[in-house]
Amino acid sequence: DQQVKQNSPSLSVQEGRISILNCDYTNSMFDYFLWYKKYPAEGPTFLISISSIKDKNEDGRFTVFLNKSAKHLSLHIVPSQPGDSAVYFCAASEGGGSEKLVFGKGTKLTVNP
Amino acid sequence: DTGVSQDPRHKITKRGQNVTFRCDPISEHNRLYWYRQTLGQGPEFLTYFQNEAQLEKSRLLSDRFSAERPKGSFSTLEIQRTEQGDSAMYLCASSLRASGEVDEQFFGPGTRLTVL
Repeated sequence: DQQVKQNSPSLSVQEGRISILNCDYTNSMFDYFLWYKKYPAEGPTFLISISSIKDKNEDGRFTVFLNKSAKHLSLHIVPSQPGDSAVYFCAASEGGGSEKLVFGKGTKLTVNP
Repeated sequence: DTGVSQDPRHKITKRGQNVTFRCDPISEHNRLYWYRQTLGQGPEFLTYFQNEAQLEKSRLLSDRFSAERPKGSFSTLEIQRTEQGDSAMYLCASSLRASGEVDEQFFGPGTRLTVL
């Protein structure tokens, strides 16, 4: 049972345009959400996070939006750069002391020059 | 480099053999996590430690798997009697648990296990 779903296996955008990566979750106990970026042959790298008490968090070119009623979050990258090409994982945590992460399957983003 | 390190990076073994992986976390981090990632999937939680105490284990961690973190520093993950289904990337992560905060997990590069 996939508690965190990334329904788009891949996304291709032009350099300079906006990239929007989507994530849905089913577990209403999740209260913290994170995005990780992964290059081949490397471990995932933390990108940005959001607590369930917020609906938006911004860090430079990256913004994460959370819609709790829809159990949906999205990552916006503006403007997209070729170096952003990687696999992006959405992850969620119930918090409460464990912080074990539940990951989606990932979306492979390709930014074309 | 003061990031999370894992050794070995690659391991090829025959079915039925035992293997052991090592993870060295970021030095001041008190939490250490093990995840497993198979092709086309995201990382799946296996177990985690706070200092030397193993606080949670996933049902994915069968009796053939054992993890330790002696003295709350490095950790080892051992798989006994390996099976072909154990072939995966084994990822280690560490974090600094601060009271009242959710901690960011820093991942190592992983150990890729292939069971023939």
